[in-house]
Amino acid sequence: GENVEQHPSTLSVQEGDSAVIKCTYSDSASNYFPWYKQELGKRPQLIIDIRSNVGEKKDQRIAVTLNKTAKHFSLHITETQPEDSAVYFCAASIRSGGYQKVTFGTGTKLQVIP
Amino acid sequence: IAGITQAPTSQILAAGRRMTLRCTQDMRHNAMYWYRQDLGLGLRLIHYSNTAGTTGKGEVPDGYSVSRANTDDFPLTLASAVPSQTSVYFCASSDPGLGLDEQFFGPGTRLTVL
Repeated sequence: GENVEQHPSTLSVQEGDSAVIKCTYSDSASNYFPWYKQELGKRPQLIIDIRSNVGEKKDQRIAVTLNKTAKHFSLHITETQPEDSAVYFCAASIRSGGYQKVTFGTGTKLQVIP
Repeated sequence: IAGITQAPTSQILAAGRRMTLRCTQDMRHNAMYWYRQDLGLGLRLIHYSNTAGTTGKGEVPDGYSVSRANTDDFPLTLASAVPSQTSVYFCASSDPGLGLDEQFFGPGTRLTVL
């Protein structure tokens, strides 16, 4: 089955600096890669996603890049703010028989220091 | 109801007791999922359903059962709870058939088995 590895597990940055979280996946059939943000005690919420036919996607201060050959994808947050502090999960997904088989990474706890 | 809801919010349960976690969505999504979230392990799929009347096993199905009598409801039952089932449980839904790969999560149920 799919295996998703996520690094680092914790990340501290100064406000205004950039943060990068990296993930690798094992199944070349995975074709959808969402990133979720989870604040303490809350539900995971999608912040950005990318499909396998796209190499990069940007939405204001966040961007995701995908290297299908190397099976790597990364989340980039620029100009970090204290409200970016949360746990971030990457995931790799395949559509299978009317549902999505989603495998999540183990999460990165991001702390933005004011 | 707006989106996806879960009940109860939290529960303390004696080992050996039966417990049903409820999940309801009003988005008419065909696919629904149950995940458990444990520290350091991310989100792991317990069971899924790609449409009313069908269910399937995920990564960690042992000790859990589900049913999908209609589109909106997807209850998760622990027949005889054990302490290792202490976790936060999230229900989610999506509709890949409509091109909606994003999974929408409920607010979660925090379950403690003593």
